[in-house]
Amino acid sequence: EVQLALSGGGLLQPRRSLRLSCTASGFDFHAHSFSWVRQAPGKRLEWLGLIRSKPSGGATEYAASVKGRVFLSRDDSKSVAYLIMNHLKTDDTAVYYCARGERPIDYWGQGTLVTVSS
Amino acid sequence: QSGLTQSPSASGTPGQSVTITCSGNTSNIGNNDVFWYQHPPGTAPQLLISLNSQRPSGVPDRFSASKSGTSASLAISGLRSEDEAAYFCAAWDDTLSGLVFGGGTMLTVL
Repeated sequence: EVQLALSGGGLLQPRRSLRLSCTASGFDFHAHSFSWVRQAPGKRLEWLGLIRSKPSGGATEYAASVKGRVFLSRDDSKSVAYLIMNHLKTDDTAVYYCARGERPIDYWGQGTLVTVSS
Repeated sequence: QSGLTQSPSASGTPGQSVTITCSGNTSNIGNNDVFWYQHPPGTAPQLLISLNSQRPSGVPDRFSASKSGTSASLAISGLRSEDEAAYFCAAWDDTLSGLVFGGGTMLTVL
């Protein structure tokens, strides 16, 4: 069974950094790209970026809205994908998802709530 | 807000059929594949339709979808109470160089 477990959410202060870990199981991690998506309260889903598999070059792509503030990485030996978001703002309050694939995203994790507040 | 356009709500009674539409432009739906997701409350979204009209393994054939020009639609026949969920569309946007989503349609089974 494909599972994507997110950790690292919670309450964070503005200007701090967020680090999310997405631990995958049930499939061949190294063969897949991973996408990151968030949904702020009352807003639509927002794509943040993706990291491709190493066999596909391992490249990252970022949404313009977060480029320079979000960094994606992966550790294939641990089957973990990471998101780091710097200089948090209150507008970054959202449920964050990691998901497998890009076009399509075929599996989503449960999501984790990140609240940015002083 | 950039993205795809969906009606915020839809409803039907058990056994009925309902269609949810998703409209975009030539940068997204007009030039790229559309994906549909079901998102029941409190759970992870699930891929319902891939590549405009393809059902992944395990998705009932009550769900079907199509794309024409810059719009796409998802049809659900034989509505069941368990179909009550949010449904959203997604497509790559060439101008934005990223994935864009519809605002989601909340389906209520009366």
